[in-house]
Amino acid sequence: GAGVSQSPSNKVTEKGKDVELRCDPISGHTALYWYRQSLGQGLEFLIYFQGNSAPDKSGLPSDRFSAERTGGSVSTLTIQRTQQEDSAVYLCASSFRLGSQETQYFGPGTRLLVL
Amino acid sequence: AQSVTQPDIHITVSEGASLELRCNYSYGATPYLFWYVQSPGQGLQLLLKYFSGDTLVQGIKGFEAEFKRSQSSFNLRKPSVHWSDAAEYFCAVHGFQKLVFGTGTRLLVSP
Repeated sequence: GAGVSQSPSNKVTEKGKDVELRCDPISGHTALYWYRQSLGQGLEFLIYFQGNSAPDKSGLPSDRFSAERTGGSVSTLTIQRTQQEDSAVYLCASSFRLGSQETQYFGPGTRLLVL
Repeated sequence: AQSVTQPDIHITVSEGASLELRCNYSYGATPYLFWYVQSPGQGLQLLLKYFSGDTLVQGIKGFEAEFKRSQSSFNLRKPSVHWSDAAEYFCAVHGFQKLVFGTGTRLLVSP
């Protein structure tokens, strides 16, 4: 079956512009995660959704970052007023949660470059 | 807090030789552990996972890992490396509602 998909695969933007990154999870997966992968910070957790709600937003680096999930499926990560330090690969993962013994499956990522 | 240490940033192995990538974790309860692989420009692919039971787990592509609670380790092994195994490997522990990753080990395969 189809895996996690993300769009766009690459995004180049200018400092100060807003960007939206999209994630389509595996069908039927109730949990959805966003991570960021950057040279200096490695793989960092950003936010987690169970259904449409986000119980844990602790990883969002600033209030310029927000995310939503609609219909228990597609999620959008929005970065407002982008800065050069936002340049990174943004990875989405989904899982069908079975208690805490869940397995997260990752998408190919969106490579964001802020000029 | 949970943490994962991968002490080797780079490892070079000759094609056909055996491989062991080290992973140590810090976690107060029973850990759920994972190895993922990332090829250049790609996302993370799950190699294997440990939840409970047999401490030697088999994964895809001929990889295996052994959970050793006494050493807080979950090392990844492969008996014979292929050139296509060149990639970055990440160990992760399932924390509260998220994965906590190590910094990764880049595997280079020499002919």
